Amino acid sequence: DAGVIQSPRHEVTEMGQEVTLRCKPISGHDYLFWYRQTMMRGLELLIYFNNNVPIDDSGMPEDRFSAKMPNASFSTLKIQPSEPRDSAVYFCASSLGVGEISETQYFGPGTRLLVL
Amino acid sequence: AQSVTQLDSHVSVSEGTPVLLRCNYSSSYSPSLFWYVQHPNKGLQLLLKYTSAATLVKGINGFEAEFKKSETSFHLTKPSAHMSDAAEYFCVVSDPILTGGGNKLTFGTGTQLKVEL
Repeated sequence: DAGVIQSPRHEVTEMGQEVTLRCKPISGHDYLFWYRQTMMRGLELLIYFNNNVPIDDSGMPEDRFSAKMPNASFSTLKIQPSEPRDSAVYFCASSLGVGEISETQYFGPGTRLLVL
Repeated sequence: AQSVTQLDSHVSVSEGTPVLLRCNYSSSYSPSLFWYVQHPNKGLQLLLKYTSAATLVKGINGFEAEFKKSETSFHLTKPSAHMSDAAEYFCVVSDPILTGGGNKLTFGTGTQLKVEL
């Protein structure tokens, strides 16, 4: 398997613009997670899905952020409108499920977002 | 709530000398613990994972970690550092109690490892 795939790898945009980040999880994984990494706050869980259904979005910073998972092989994280403080690295991760064997999360390479 | 504390934000070693990255955890349950590594401008790669099978866990690239319940520690070690080990290392605890199932990872603040010639 190719692992978790994220696109784009880098995104530079201007304040107020819409940004869409994309993720393809590992085939067969039931859980998908979106994280944000910043110098100030480290790695934070934003939202996660189980079988395409959002389970916990308590980490989403505000209404400008939204995430969808229309099918088992694709998820998006959208920021509209974007602000400079959204600049960060956004990671997507997937896991097979619960339990000792299957709980390991595998991370994508991340999308580096810069909002000017 | 579960948490991890990485005791050193930066560690510097000479190539060929041992590496010790310290991590303490807090958990109400029998935890799953991980170490992830992040090389500059790269994603997070799993180094090793502790569940409950063995307290000494061997990972990739010669790293290992020992789970010590009495000390609530999960320190990462390597006998001999290599230049390619220079990266940021994250200690992570897994919380199995989540709405709808699944597990939530709580990350430490990271330790930046520098390897000098």
